[in-house]
Amino acid sequence: DAKTTQPTSMDCAEGRAANLPCNHSTISGNEYVYWYRQIHSQGPQYIIHGLKNNETNEMASLIITEDRKSSTLILPHATLRDTAVYYCIGLNRDDKIIFGKGTRLHILP
Amino acid sequence: EAEVAQSPRYKITEKSQAVAFWCDPISGHATLYWYRQILGQGPELLVQFQDESVVDDSQLPKDRFSAERLKGVDSTLKIQPAELGDSAMYLCASSFLYTEQFFGPGTRLTVL
Repeated sequence: DAKTTQPTSMDCAEGRAANLPCNHSTISGNEYVYWYRQIHSQGPQYIIHGLKNNETNEMASLIITEDRKSSTLILPHATLRDTAVYYCIGLNRDDKIIFGKGTRLHILP
Repeated sequence: EAEVAQSPRYKITEKSQAVAFWCDPISGHATLYWYRQILGQGPELLVQFQDESVVDDSQLPKDRFSAERLKGVDSTLKIQPAELGDSAMYLCASSFLYTEQFFGPGTRLTVL
């Protein structure tokens, strides 16, 4: 798995876009970038993943730089329910997930 | 929407006792995972099943932990004897082949 680096914590005002960065400079060509989040006292929840193209689903958008060394997860209109720990993970499709410490996102009212 | 079921949600036990956790994955998901999450850390994979076969148990403390998935559907994780350091959240997840994983709500274990 590629080593990823994320800020320990971030704040975002409710209703604004939350942009969560992730550095993965050692990612290999066949490793995907996955994002999961974990709301307090719940199991992790899959958000989105991508290889090299930007991706969007009903939860978020994933922007991957052209050199694939970093990416940004965007929650377009953050709500209080988006307060969680967000994990960025680089892995092949059949690799086991290795969770780091993630970014603790606080949505402020 | 289909979900991964786990029971119990909470378990308090004394050290040296045996405990067991149960997981029912999403129907049709061949791959099942057990994770342990210590407070303040990310989940750590303990064991991975593909149908009824173990494909990765390299991080499972085999002297006290065991896991089975006899019919390739639901699974049980057992600890015997429990130690104080086993206090953690135990999470089960499932996936269809090697796609994204769906996690259950977890079992919070407290060992006294």
